Amino acid sequence: ETGVTQSPTHLIKTRGQQVTLRCSSQSGHNTVSWYQQALGQGPQFIFQYYREEENGRGNFPPRFSGLQFPNYSSELNVNALELDDSALYLCASSPGSVNQETQYFGPGTRLLVL
Amino acid sequence: DQQVKQNSPSLSVQEGRISILNCDYTNSMFDYFLWYKKYPAEGPTFLISISSIKDKNEDGRFTVFLNKSAKHLSLHIVPSQPGDSAVYFCAASVGGANNLFFGTGTRLTVIP
Repeated sequence: ETGVTQSPTHLIKTRGQQVTLRCSSQSGHNTVSWYQQALGQGPQFIFQYYREEENGRGNFPPRFSGLQFPNYSSELNVNALELDDSALYLCASSPGSVNQETQYFGPGTRLLVL
Repeated sequence: DQQVKQNSPSLSVQEGRISILNCDYTNSMFDYFLWYKKYPAEGPTFLISISSIKDKNEDGRFTVFLNKSAKHLSLHIVPSQPGDSAVYFCAASVGGANNLFFGTGTRLTVIP
């Protein structure tokens, strides 16, 4: 039990729609990172938020956006969904921006785009 | 382009024997390496790490070896236990940043 929760657990959307995924970090963790894990692949870094500001981004287009709130929750928003967006989306929280060992992952949200 | 590679998608080992999981990387800027374990329906959990200034790090039954010249690392589990059955990911980062580059994972099955 990492103390990091994600909602919903599963989600089905159609191409072109928009989706919002939610993450609740461990209390006191001011950094949250989001990863996309496609089937048969390892997690790929989408972006990181530190103290409510974006603090690094992977190779993902601008239709992937995020928000981080003062209450240790965060959101991943994806606009104009494409079939290839079907994946497990993981969030990970940590108490600092450069501390991988204390980066705790949530169980993920599995998104299916039809 | 996959900068971290795990070429063995699966591995089966008898209980009590050694499990060796391998990982290769291409980016010479990577200076910190981690192994994560993932059970079904759970997120990855941190297992062990190694800095590029070391070539070995040990934590109980788990040892990670780093060969910088070969851009290769391995995770040894001795002795293997059925509870070790999971998917293992290696990951790497540059400068201690939180944006990790993951391999594709190796599914370890420990047979009782």
